[in-house]
Amino acid sequence: DQQVKQNSPSLSVQEGRISILNCDYTNSMFDYFLWYKKYPAEGPTFLISISSIKDKNEDGRFTVFLNKSAKHLSLHIVPSQPGDSAVYFCAASAGAGSYQLTFGKGTKLSVIP
Amino acid sequence: ETGVTQTPRHLVMGMTNKKSLKCEQHLGHNAMYWYKQSAKKPLELMFVYNFKEQTENNSVPSRFSPECPNSSHLFLHLHTLQPEDSALYLCASKALAGGAFNEQFFGPGTRLTVL
Repeated sequence: DQQVKQNSPSLSVQEGRISILNCDYTNSMFDYFLWYKKYPAEGPTFLISISSIKDKNEDGRFTVFLNKSAKHLSLHIVPSQPGDSAVYFCAASAGAGSYQLTFGKGTKLSVIP
Repeated sequence: ETGVTQTPRHLVMGMTNKKSLKCEQHLGHNAMYWYKQSAKKPLELMFVYNFKEQTENNSVPSRFSPECPNSSHLFLHLHTLQPEDSALYLCASKALAGGAFNEQFFGPGTRLTVL
């Protein structure tokens, strides 16, 4: 059973608008969450993370929100740009010292000019 | 070279071949990982090495054999693979620092096709 779920395989957004990518998890031991971005023919690159002691973390156009009671996190991109078109993976870890990440299947974001 | 590099980028092999995938990290990290990414599936962790010692083998078939000669290099030796092993194989590395969470840095991957 998947512990990290990204239920939307794809998302299309107009340039300049907000992109919202969602992720749900089932393991209550997860306490650190990350978003990775992947372009074709490249490996995933780290985008932003959040610890379970926070409910929001912001870095430029990217904001991650965490709702622990709902076991849900989301990545907001505002404003969306064509260069943001990529596959976005949500990942989770249990414990700050943990070396293992559990990934979702990814959501392919297409930003239309 | 910077970051995490992987060679070859593409590999086509028959089921009776033996080949190796190579990963090198130039980040001074001390943990290295092999992942498998199949179509429409999440990244699957295969092996973990911390300070050159294997600490995780996620029930990977023995036709995949990892080797970590030092903290900068990681190999995945392949033999008698099956067509369903065709996938993108990703290497990652991470700094192990006490108490702090550090993200994993990924290489570009090797696209493997088994005929």
